[in-house]
Amino acid sequence: GAGVSQSPSNKVTEKGKDVELRCDPISGHTALYWYRQSLGQGLEFLIYFQGNSAPDKSGLPSDRFSAERTGGSVSTLTIQRTQQEDSAVYLCASSPKDRGGNEQFFGPGTRLTVL
Amino acid sequence: AQSVTQLDSHVSVSEGTPVLLRCNYSSSYSPSLFWYVQHPNKGLQLLLKYTSAATLVKGINGFEAEFKKSETSFHLTKPSAHMSDAAEYFCVAGGGATNKLIFGTGTLLAVQP
Repeated sequence: GAGVSQSPSNKVTEKGKDVELRCDPISGHTALYWYRQSLGQGLEFLIYFQGNSAPDKSGLPSDRFSAERTGGSVSTLTIQRTQQEDSAVYLCASSPKDRGGNEQFFGPGTRLTVL
Repeated sequence: AQSVTQLDSHVSVSEGTPVLLRCNYSSSYSPSLFWYVQHPNKGLQLLLKYTSAATLVKGINGFEAEFKKSETSFHLTKPSAHMSDAAEYFCVAGGGATNKLIFGTGTLLAVQP
């Protein structure tokens, strides 16, 4: 079956521009996560959505970062006024439940380069 | 709070020899523990997971890991390395209310012919 998909696969932008990254989770998965993989910081949690509950935004590095999930499915991560330190691979994952022990299925990522 | 420590950033083995990738964790509650693998330019793939059932967990491609609470360890092993095992391996802790994953810094495994 279809896995988690992300678009675009690569994004190059200029410093100060806004970018939107998209994630399509596996159908039926209620939990959706965003992570960031960068050279200096490794893999770090950004934000978590579960159904219609308020998202856990505790991992967002600054108020330039925001995310939404429409209709409990597709999610968009927005970075405003991008900075060079935002350059990273942004990974999306989905899971059928949020209880501990459930595997998270990862998408291929979006590689963001801020010039 | 949770944290994961991968003791080796790089490991190099010869093809056909055993693999040992070390991981220690810290958690204020009973964790779920995972090993994920990332091949170059590929996404993260789950190798195996521990969720408080059997302490010896078998995964894909001949990998296994043993949860040792007394040592707070979850080391990954494989009896015989294959060239296709060359990749980066992440030890990961999850669980809690949101099951957000806490990643170790990764171990890059090289397999020499």
